[in-house]
Amino acid sequence: KAGVTQTPRYLIKTRGQQVTLSCSPISGHRSVSWYQQTPGQGLQFLFEYFSETQRNKGNFPGRFSGRQFSNSRSEMNVSTLELGDSALYLCASSLAEGNTGELFFGEGSRLTVL
Amino acid sequence: AQSVSQHNHHVILSEAASLELGCNYSYGGTVNLFWYVQYPGQHLQLLLKYFSGDPLVKGIKGFEAEFIKSKFSFNLRKPSVQWSDTAEYFCAVTRSFGNEKLTFGTGTRLTIIP
Repeated sequence: KAGVTQTPRYLIKTRGQQVTLSCSPISGHRSVSWYQQTPGQGLQFLFEYFSETQRNKGNFPGRFSGRQFSNSRSEMNVSTLELGDSALYLCASSLAEGNTGELFFGEGSRLTVL
Repeated sequence: AQSVSQHNHHVILSEAASLELGCNYSYGGTVNLFWYVQYPGQHLQLLLKYFSGDPLVKGIKGFEAEFIKSKFSFNLRKPSVQWSDTAEYFCAVTRSFGNEKLTFGTGTRLTIIP
């Protein structure tokens, strides 16, 4: 079956702009989590959605937001981009809520902020 | 808040050498433990996991990990590495119960020299 699909794969933005990233989970998976990956910081948890509800939120400013649709697809948005937002944004889906099960990751969306 | 420490940031080994990557976590309750691997240019994928039972767990590609509760550790091992094991390895922890996020370590980059 198809894996987790993230779009776009690469994008370049300038400071102050906003960006929307999309994630389609594995069919049947209702939980979607987002992580920010940067060199030296590893994976930092952004948020988790399950059945269209945000279940968990990491320690990121309010400029970072997300949502999940009824078909489990998810989007995350970053407004007023800063240079430090340059990172690989990873989406992961799972059958179980709350990360007690295995996460299946997409290949990520690499955001560069100039 | 729970945290995960991976003290080895970059490990360089020759083929056939034995490998041990350290992982320590801060949370004292019942936990689920994971090792994920990210091969160059590929998405993160699960290497192995521990939920309960035998503290020595075996994963894919000859990897194994040992959960030592008294040391809050979950070290990854492989008796004889191959060039294809070159990748970044991430340890991750979550509580066994409740709706908790999966917390990742900062990762260890493993380079195998042919």
